[in-house]
Amino acid sequence: QQQVKQSPQSLIVQKGGISIINCAYENTAFDYFPWYQQFPGKGPALLIAIRPDVSEKKEGRFTISFNKSAKQFSLHIMDSQPGDSATYFCAPSAWTGANNLFFGTGTRLTVIP
Amino acid sequence: EPEVTQTPSHQVTQMGQEVILRCVPISNHLYFYWYRQILGQKVEFLVSFYNNEISEKSEIFDDQFSVERPDGSNFTLKIRSTKLEDSAMYFCASRNTGGPWETQYFGPGTRLLVL
Repeated sequence: QQQVKQSPQSLIVQKGGISIINCAYENTAFDYFPWYQQFPGKGPALLIAIRPDVSEKKEGRFTISFNKSAKQFSLHIMDSQPGDSATYFCAPSAWTGANNLFFGTGTRLTVIP
Repeated sequence: EPEVTQTPSHQVTQMGQEVILRCVPISNHLYFYWYRQILGQKVEFLVSFYNNEISEKSEIFDDQFSVERPDGSNFTLKIRSTKLEDSAMYFCASRNTGGPWETQYFGPGTRLLVL
């Protein structure tokens, strides 16, 4: 029930285009839905996160859309830039005290200039 | 900006040897974690630590693994007798409070290679 599935596995987008990455989860206890960005050789870094009481959150070019009934949330990157080229992970957690993150399988995004 | 640091950045060891991976979490943080990432795969939770004891651990965190906060600043992961399959990137993370929406901050990782 802790399974978290991401799609697509890899994504190639032209500069200026929209990148969309999807995450599906099974555990209905999850109540925190972050996206982490990871560059090669670095640790994951929080990009944007959403609480379950809202359906959308926007921060600059990054937007999370959340569908509680479908148990899915997605990351939209508008006006994608070559600097956005990285691996993106969804990593939901449940407020059980420790709040350990359950990482998805990752999406490698490449933005072509 | 405060950050989580980890040492060493790379470690090569022989199978069966003990290794200790070190982390210095952000100073006012209370919750500490170890995750690992086998090359090309997803990041997996190993263990969480709060108030000088383990809060949760995954199935991966068996008796070969242990964690310790020896001096109030360092947080260590010990692998008692390394196996080939322990080769991975190990990430330390820390978080300030127990609230449900607090960010976990990750260190740069230690790449462990077991030969």
